[in-house]
Amino acid sequence: DTAVSQTPKYLVTQMGNDKSIKCEQNLGHDTMYWYKQDSKKFLKIMFSYNNKELIINETVPNRFSPKSPDKAHLNLHINSLELGDSAVYFCASSQDFGRGGPADTQYFGPGTRLTVL
Amino acid sequence: DAKTTQPTSMDCAEGRAANLPCNHSTISGNEYVYWYRQIHSQGPQYIIHGLKNNETNEMASLIITEDRKSSTLILPHATLRDTAVYYCIVGGKLSFGAGTTVTVRA
Repeated sequence: DTAVSQTPKYLVTQMGNDKSIKCEQNLGHDTMYWYKQDSKKFLKIMFSYNNKELIINETVPNRFSPKSPDKAHLNLHINSLELGDSAVYFCASSQDFGRGGPADTQYFGPGTRLTVL
Repeated sequence: DAKTTQPTSMDCAEGRAANLPCNHSTISGNEYVYWYRQIHSQGPQYIIHGLKNNETNEMASLIITEDRKSSTLILPHATLRDTAVYYCIVGGKLSFGAGTTVTVRA
């Protein structure tokens, strides 16, 4: 059983299009995250939801909108895609958030490689 | 948030132990140390975490100094499949730095 899954694995699209990436976790965790890993390989937090509530929103263009229909899902919708959005996007989940203890351990999905042409 | 410092890269011979250091001199008393790794083109994978005591699991051992200002991840018998970028994270910090690129050589 896959703990954290993402779809699609690859996404190739034209500039200006709108696209969504889906994430699901079957671990029963309360917190989910979206990260972006660009060509320089740094992994940067974008958003985090705890019990369907947005708790972290880093400096991300408002073209990116996360949506959490329930605790097991956190989807990422991107409007008006730009060349600079090309990256690998990772979803992750943890049991809890912000306590600095074992419950903050994150489990990552396999990633979605987005290429904007 | 406590910052971490790791060497940029290291090589290890297959079958030998790999010792990966991490400095976290500004760690506070209740912050855990976590280690993750990212094998090429895959999502980061949790390895181990600890607070004060040394920890061991099926993947690795974690040695934390008594003052908690540094730690060492030990891969006891490195294999080629352990080639990856290893990240040391402290507390609830959600930004992964550059990590240590570990190359295991046959």
